[in-house]
Amino acid sequence: SAVISQKPSRDICQRGTSLTIQCQVDSQVTMMFWYRQQPGQSLTLIATANQGSEATYESGFVIDKFPISRPNLTFSTLTVSNMSPEDSSIYLCSVRELAEQYFGPGTRLTVT
Amino acid sequence: KQEVTQIPAALSVPEGENLVLNCSFTDSAIYNLQWFRQDPGKGLTSLLLIQSSQREQTSGRLNASLDKSSGRSTLYIAASQPGDSATYLCAVRPQDTGRRALTFGSGTRLQVQP
Repeated sequence: SAVISQKPSRDICQRGTSLTIQCQVDSQVTMMFWYRQQPGQSLTLIATANQGSEATYESGFVIDKFPISRPNLTFSTLTVSNMSPEDSSIYLCSVRELAEQYFGPGTRLTVT
Repeated sequence: KQEVTQIPAALSVPEGENLVLNCSFTDSAIYNLQWFRQDPGKGLTSLLLIQSSQREQTSGRLNASLDKSSGRSTLYIAASQPGDSATYLCAVRPQDTGRRALTFGSGTRLQVQP
């Protein structure tokens, strides 16, 4: 099974600033997924990142707010830009290996 | 639009009890269904994956069943332990390969009392 690490594990940020979250996988994967889990809610897909192409964003999420990089087959970053308190969530990186989905430990973001 | 519902939302049981968590989904055109465990403030741990052609999967004290035609899955936990305390999420993957997102239920928060 894929092993996924994320940095940072948590952060407290001020309104208007940006935070970049890193995701590292221990194997090469075609697609990497970024999910958001708002307090008390379930998970929502933000975007899918393929190596060598632009990320594909889900309805309600835009590149200017959540730019994503995918420089190689084991690494991706998600930036949360111009943050507001509504961005306070857990952000999770995920990959699919064969048919199974695996998730990283998450980044808990608090915006004050 | 696929909707996934989990019942109950919360459950508290004494140690040693067998228990059943329920998951229902509205669109039976699924590729597979996956059960996850989430500890507070942490990521998700995959527990069991059931392909759409399968009826059940087992891992240790866990058994998951799938009835695709009726849009239901259950997660059975035998001889529950305090370490099983967590939130359990089910998620369905659509059959349509053009759609990437898993649809998650809102979870069942389980507490096993010692």
